[in-house]
Amino acid sequence: GQQVMQIPQYQHVQEGEDFTTYCNSSTTLSNIQWYKQRPGGHPVFLIQLVKSGEVKKQKRLTFQFGEAKKNSSLHITATQTTDVGTYFCAGPGNTDKLIFGTGTRLQVFP
Amino acid sequence: DAGVIQSPRHEVTEMGQEVTLRCKPISGHNSLFWYRQTMMRGLELLIYFNNNVPIDDSGMPEDRFSAKMPNASFSTLKIQPSEPRDSAVYFCASSLMGGPGGAEAFFGQGTRLTVV
Repeated sequence: GQQVMQIPQYQHVQEGEDFTTYCNSSTTLSNIQWYKQRPGGHPVFLIQLVKSGEVKKQKRLTFQFGEAKKNSSLHITATQTTDVGTYFCAGPGNTDKLIFGTGTRLQVFP
Repeated sequence: DAGVIQSPRHEVTEMGQEVTLRCKPISGHNSLFWYRQTMMRGLELLIYFNNNVPIDDSGMPEDRFSAKMPNASFSTLKIQPSEPRDSAVYFCASSLMGGPGGAEAFFGQGTRLTVV
């Protein structure tokens, strides 16, 4: 079946350092979404990318969709303690079900 | 809108008992998803409804699990009989497929289930 993998599984950074998580799908995606889940919380939608090679920015967050539409990345510049949480990518599988990646847990030390 | 509402927030039950989790999606949304989250397996899709019809239940673990969506504003996930390995956080999410806002999913607060 379709799989969406993310690396790394965990990342610990010092506040102010950059962070990147990578998402890889076993199949081509029509779009890719990114979610953030704070500890003890629920996933919250961040952004959706649709076009091949698309790049979007939200303040310190930069999202990129690969040319082949099978991979994506999220880069955070100068992390802050408020960035702590697990970041998931998600894509539509067959039947339009939303399949989530394995997630990257980010810990930021002050 | 109050968002996706799930109940109960926490459930502790004994092995062998029946457990029913409830979800009220956002009004107007046409798609509903049930997910299970554990440390070991991450966020797994259990079942997906579109316009109240189950479209994909390939993620439902076994016959002990069943889900219904009798109308557009209510869904249930039932486990009977429950087992300790069912302990997890169960999330319900809804979205508007094909709508102008895209297909972003809105999650409920989740139900933390503990089976002892």
